[in-house]
Amino acid sequence: GENVEQHPSTLSVQEGDSAVIKCTYSDSASNYFPWYKQELGKGPQLIIDIRSNVGEKKDQRIAVTLNKTAKHFSLHITETQPEDSAVYFCAASGASGTYKYIFGTGTRLKVLA
Amino acid sequence: EAGVAQSPRYKIIEKRQSVAFWCNPISGHATLYWYQQILGQGPKLLIQFQNNGVVDDSQLPKDRFSAERLKGVDSTLKIQPAKLEDSAVYLCASSASYEQYFGPGTRLTVT
Repeated sequence: GENVEQHPSTLSVQEGDSAVIKCTYSDSASNYFPWYKQELGKGPQLIIDIRSNVGEKKDQRIAVTLNKTAKHFSLHITETQPEDSAVYFCAASGASGTYKYIFGTGTRLKVLA
Repeated sequence: EAGVAQSPRYKIIEKRQSVAFWCNPISGHATLYWYQQILGQGPKLLIQFQNNGVVDDSQLPKDRFSAERLKGVDSTLKIQPAKLEDSAVYLCASSASYEQYFGPGTRLTVT
C-alpha cells in the first residue's frame, strides 16, 4: 500500500547549523509534497510544499528538494534557530485529484542554543 | 482569515462512554478531513468530505466511529463506545485544493 518513510526520527543541531530531513514515498502517482511543523499542543502548520513538476523550492531559510525518479524529497533548514525546534512531518498526496495525504512518522528537531 | 476551529480542546472519558468532537473549517473550503494522531506518530486520515459527501472513509472504524458534515460546513466526529486505544489527538483540516490547513486538535484520553 501507500507508504511514506521519514528519517531521522530525531535530530539535534547547534544553533546556526543546517538541518536536513529526508522522506521516501511509494506511490508513483503522488504529485504534491507538503511539509508541516508541529509544536507541542498545536496542530500541524504548513511551512512549505512542492509539486511534482518542480525540483526545488525555497522560502527564506527553508528549502525543499524533490527527486521523482528516486521518489525522494527532503527538507533543508539553514541557519537554525531555537524556535525551529518542533516535530516536522512530510506528506505525499495520493492519487491525482483526491487531495488525500499519507504522512511520514515525523522528525523531532532540537536546536541547541 | 480565521483558521480551522475545533472543540473541545481536551476531553477525558471512561472506556465504553461516548464522545463527540466539532470542527468548523476555513470559510469557503469544500474539503474537510478528520485525522487521528497517536502520540509519536504522524496523522492518519479517518474520513474525508467533499462538501457534505464522503470521499474516503476507508480507515474509519465504522463499528464505533461516525462522522457527518451537515450543509457542507461544520462537521462532527463521534466515538461510541470508546476504547482505551482511541486515546489520541483528533485533528480536523480543511482545504480548497491541495494545501490542507489544520485546527489545534482535540486531545482525547480514554481511561
